Amino acid sequence: GENVGLHLPTLSVQEGDNSIINCAYSNSASDYFIWYKQESGKGPQFIIDIRSNMDKRQGQRVTVLLNKTVKHLSLQIAATQPGDSAVYFCAENYSGGSNYKLTFGKGTLLTVNP
Amino acid sequence: DAGITQSPRHKVTETGTPVTLRCHQTENHRYMYWYRQDPGHGLRLIHYSYGVKDTDKGEVSDGYSVSRSKTEDFLLTLESATSSQTSVYFCAISDSGNQPQHFGDGTRLSIL
Repeated sequence: GENVGLHLPTLSVQEGDNSIINCAYSNSASDYFIWYKQESGKGPQFIIDIRSNMDKRQGQRVTVLLNKTVKHLSLQIAATQPGDSAVYFCAENYSGGSNYKLTFGKGTLLTVNP
Repeated sequence: DAGITQSPRHKVTETGTPVTLRCHQTENHRYMYWYRQDPGHGLRLIHYSYGVKDTDKGEVSDGYSVSRSKTEDFLLTLESATSSQTSVYFCAISDSGNQPQHFGDGTRLSIL
């Protein structure tokens, strides 16, 4: 939604720099994690996911790192572009429970300065 | 984009009126979800469906009901809308419980 960026942590970077967005998840039993990107006025868009048997996964210009010891997830965006400006949030899932439910973080607003 | 269509995209209505939002998918996915998104709260699950006529409550289900009479359509109904239900509503779908959910572009609902 248009107001989803209000009250969020923000990260401002210069075009071409690398960005790192962090997420602390809540359930130590969670075993599936997703990063989403949400632009103003649009729905969340899937970026990349990772399962708990991995600690790193790479996509196109994005890398997700998972540290289960401290329940921490990060999204790295290489060579950040103005089109990367959006709200980014993580989601977690515990497949041993109600495995059709995701728990979403509140998000980080990324602003890319040209 | 995943084949998800939400309608209407915008709606303004008055307190006490019934409202129905529709989510239509062309992906033949089993799971469908309704979320609301409000500043400071992130996405919160209202109801979800794990098959035709199979639905269950999410964390903020009070005041909402859903129906799924066929795979492609998931309806969210506010029986008697209240101002606290002013929000942006998103529908999502997934092929299985442990796969990414894909979202529609939302319905902005204002209740005056």
